[in-house]
Amino acid sequence: SQKIEQNSEALNIQEGKTATLTCNYTNYSPAYLQWYRQDPGRGPVFLLLIRENEKEKRKERLKVTFDTTLKQSLFHITASQPADSATYLCALRNTDKLIFGTGTRLQVFP
Amino acid sequence: EAQVTQNPRYLITVTGKKLTVTCSQNMNHEYMSWYRQDPGLGLRQIYYSMNVEVTDKGDVPEGYKVSRKEKRNFPLILESPSPNQTSLYSCASSFSRGGNNYGYTFGSGTRLTVV
Repeated sequence: SQKIEQNSEALNIQEGKTATLTCNYTNYSPAYLQWYRQDPGRGPVFLLLIRENEKEKRKERLKVTFDTTLKQSLFHITASQPADSATYLCALRNTDKLIFGTGTRLQVFP
Repeated sequence: EAQVTQNPRYLITVTGKKLTVTCSQNMNHEYMSWYRQDPGLGLRQIYYSMNVEVTDKGDVPEGYKVSRKEKRNFPLILESPSPNQTSLYSCASSFSRGGNNYGYTFGSGTRLTVV
């Protein structure tokens, strides 16, 4: 069956450290993968897109990698801040639609 | 400002009382979609629309209706709400169903409670 897996357990890290979140998928061949941020009770906000022929993408303190062999994307936030605390969702394009993972909650402590 | 406007933000209603959640976008997007989100289940698609007068069922359409009479508006209608429809609802829009370079733009969410 087709699955997108994100760690359901919250990730707790100290301010200033690098947070790394994982998105694994099975039985998909996505043309690209997207990452979103979601705050409690709010709709998600688009952050980054990475295509299947790109190994890495950066935007300010964010870095995303995409390994189509491992079927995995890693999402990094460097120099993390308490304001980065949120749930992060990955989404991949399958045929012509976007499929979302369930998200991983990140908590950054001062 | 480019945005998806969703109203209301919070709604408490009683079982069986018809309600409408509005969604409007100002980006001339062709694709619009409704999701519900429950703990542990992630975003589940209710209905989507590829263009005006074109709507299709998503993964969990039962108990919901939608319409797309104008490009900018995509209201979600619950004809007879039940407690199992208590959830966080999010409207999204995009130039395409796949999201492409700019992803989906989501509204601010509607927290619905049916008692």
